[in-house]
Formats: sequence, C-alpha cells, structure tokens
Amino acid sequence: DAKTTQPPSMDCAEGRAANLPCNHSTISGNEYVYWYRQIHSQGPQYIIHGLKNNETNEMASLIITEDRKSSTLILPHATLRDTAVYYCIVRVTNFGNEKLTFGTGTRLTIIP
Amino acid sequence: EAGVTQSPTHLIKTRGQQVTLRCSPISGHTSVYWYQQALGLGLQFLLWYDEGEERNRGNFPPRFSGRQFPNYSSELNVNALELEDSALYLCASSNRVSNQPQHFGDGTRLSIL
Repeated sequence: DAKTTQPPSMDCAEGRAANLPCNHSTISGNEYVYWYRQIHSQGPQYIIHGLKNNETNEMASLIITEDRKSSTLILPHATLRDTAVYYCIVRVTNFGNEKLTFGTGTRLTIIP
Repeated sequence: EAGVTQSPTHLIKTRGQQVTLRCSPISGHTSVYWYQQALGLGLQFLLWYDEGEERNRGNFPPRFSGRQFPNYSSELNVNALELEDSALYLCASSNRVSNQPQHFGDGTRLSIL
C-alpha cells in the first residue's frame, strides 16, 4: 500500500471547518483513500473513503485532487467531540492482502 | 445495528501466562481482523480471518494465533506473554464486497505485569 504523509498536529476553532491534508504521491490507480479517526482509548472509527471523485457523507467530505496525489478531509462544523487522531490510509483491496496500514496520523484539537 | 464487540475490555496477566481475547463481528460480516496498538505507537496488523481460514498474517511471532468460528466470531490467543505484549488489541470486521471499510471495536486493554 502507498505511504501517506500527514501533519502531526492541527488546531481548529469550534464551529469552524477543519481541513485535514494528506499527501499520497505514490498512490496507484487502484488504491482508495480511507479516513479513520481514533478518540482516546477507543477503536478507530471509519469516516469516509473515495477513489477519485469527491465524496460526502453525514460526517465529512473528502476532496481528492485530480492527480490523486493528495486529499483533504473536511469536517464542516467542528465540535469538541471531533478532537481525535485522524488517519489517512491508502489501500488496494486485494483479497490476498486485506489489511490497513496506519501511519502516525494528525492529532486534531478543537479549541473552544 | 450492533457494532463489533470485544471481550473482555480490560485484562491483567503476568509474564509467561496465556490469554484469549474474543471478538464478535457486525452481523453479515465474514472477515475479522486483529490489530495491536502498543502505548504511544500506531496500529500494527496482526491477523486476518475470513470464512474460518487465516488469510494473512502480520510480522508477529507464532505465539500469537487465533481462529474464526462458523458464526464468524473470532478469538486471538497469545501464549507465553511478555511485557511488551501490553497493548490495546483491536478487532475489526468487514464483508468481502470490494472496498468496503473495516469497522473496529473498542478493543481489549491487556496489561502484563
């Protein structure tokens, strides 16, 4: 799976949009971009994933650049409960290699 | 819909003992994955089971093993516990439809004294 690069930490004011960047310059054509977050002492929570089109769900939006070398996760109206470590993962579904490779993620702190 | 459930939530063992952790996947999911998250470290892939068979294994010694039952629940067994086995053990499940996400439980916190 391709390697990802994320800033180690970010702050965002409560109520503002949180934009979390991820660089995946070595992504292959069949690799998806997945985002998870982990709130302290809990299991990772799936947020969203996409291949090349922008995606939106009830939690967030995912913007993938046209060359697919980077993406941005957007939390539109951040709340204190969004404070967590956010992981960007690129993954190809290969039934011989079903695993997620987590990096160090971005620690997002929402400021009241 | 019930999520992935793991038991126990916390466990304390001593060096050399053996431990069994349990995981029940989301209904309809046939794949179960195990990950280890040591304190301050990232998640490391341990094992993947699907349809009762071990399909993939991470870089862990053979004393880490497991199985998957006909109802798709799974156990992770760790023999000859060492201090460095202290970690949060996470289970995830998914179905085999292409590119469906893995969903995680809240883990078992294992402490080795």
